[in-house]
Amino acid sequence: DIQMTQSPSTLSASVGDRVTITCRASQSIRDLLAWYQQKPGKAPKLLIYKTSRLESGVPSRFSGSGSGTEFTLTISSLQPDDFATYYCQQSESYSYTFGQGTKLDI
Amino acid sequence: EVQLVESGGGLVKPGGSLRLSCVASGFTFSSHSMNWVRQAPGKGLEWVSSISSSSFYIYHADSVKGRFTISRDNAKNSLYLEMNSLRAEDTAVYYCARDDGDLFGYFDLWGRGTLVTVSS
Repeated sequence: DIQMTQSPSTLSASVGDRVTITCRASQSIRDLLAWYQQKPGKAPKLLIYKTSRLESGVPSRFSGSGSGTEFTLTISSLQPDDFATYYCQQSESYSYTFGQGTKLDI
Repeated sequence: EVQLVESGGGLVKPGGSLRLSCVASGFTFSSHSMNWVRQAPGKGLEWVSSISSSSFYIYHADSVKGRFTISRDNAKNSLYLEMNSLRAEDTAVYYCARDDGDLFGYFDLWGRGTLVTVSS
């Protein structure tokens, strides 16, 4: 299986900050990476797919980049609603795998 | 309204069985592959199973292979997960998730989840 490793596991930031979360794959996944946001007690929400494509309705302060084995999710200016846990997920292999998550808190 | 609603969770003893259901509404169910994703208490997301739109392709995580079976009924807009030989480590919230297409590999619509607890 393809292993996905996110860093950091926890990130403390403030409203207005620019933050970046990294996701590394154990082998090349081309551009087949998605990012999800999850708030406590809620289902995950798709933010970005195919590395950099923004899901409809997602604010433009979210962006994604990368290719091969290294990917990033950037939030350009943190808003109060952005404090949540973020997961990356690969779909190069049909044994889909998620990263362990990055908790973004104040 | 476009939504997925899971049901069937509950408390079951180790070695027992359970069948989860997910009913879809508001979109053309038969055009999308479907998935089950679980989340153990306080832990991250784990993909469990996927099924293509026509049921031709089926995939299961190694952790559930041979014990869980995914299936669907397009006439009833329903997805199922048959879970046998349940273990304590299967305790989790189980989410039904829609693929944006047919095995595109990313999940654009999620249900609220149903909790499965495996305990004696």
